[in-house]
Amino acid sequence: NAGVMQNPRHLVRRRGQEARLRCSPMKGHSHVYWYRQLPEEGLKFMVYLQKENIIDESGMPKERFSAEFPKEGPSILRIQQVVRGDSAAYFCASSRLAVEGETQYFGPGTRLLVL
Amino acid sequence: GDSVTQMEGPVTLSEEAFLTINCTYTATGYPSLFWYVQYPGEGLQLLLKATKADDKGSNKGFEATYRKETTSFHLEKGSVQVSDSAVYFCALTSGTYKYIFGTGTRLKVLA
Repeated sequence: NAGVMQNPRHLVRRRGQEARLRCSPMKGHSHVYWYRQLPEEGLKFMVYLQKENIIDESGMPKERFSAEFPKEGPSILRIQQVVRGDSAAYFCASSRLAVEGETQYFGPGTRLLVL
Repeated sequence: GDSVTQMEGPVTLSEEAFLTINCTYTATGYPSLFWYVQYPGEGLQLLLKATKADDKGSNKGFEATYRKETTSFHLEKGSVQVSDSAVYFCALTSGTYKYIFGTGTRLKVLA
């Protein structure tokens, strides 16, 4: 029973390049969330998606960041023109329901380093 | 807004010592409370949760009790092992699916 899958596990980009992070939710889960963990901090909510829909992107920076969850394939978090401040661990989580108290299952994360 | 405050780390203990990691919260309404553990280089794993006041969550020898009167959800374990070395995150959800995490407490257990 595979858990939440993320790839790549580590990603190095130079300033100005694009970063593309992928997430496959647990089987049977249709709700996907992205969180960002800056060094020495807790995780911060970025965006919540269902298939083909962005439901809540209130935690996403207004520029350069976008997310999608297509009908087929993994969810993608895309960061254009990366800057050093984007260096962080990006975690994807999924859940069976999107309600308060529901357990979210986290992937291993993608650690992005911007040089 | 809602928030979670955890004790500063790192916490260093000898094997078989008693562990307490403090967690207090601020929330409107009645949140659900969680403890997650993050082992080096890995993602977060749910350790335990409690969804209403006075509930006790427990797993793998860890326990935490949801105390509404003190707005706390302290994590305890009677006898830690080296393999418990990790970062522990307290989190809440309050009327929404969004998790709000504390900053994490690093635990190091020495043999």
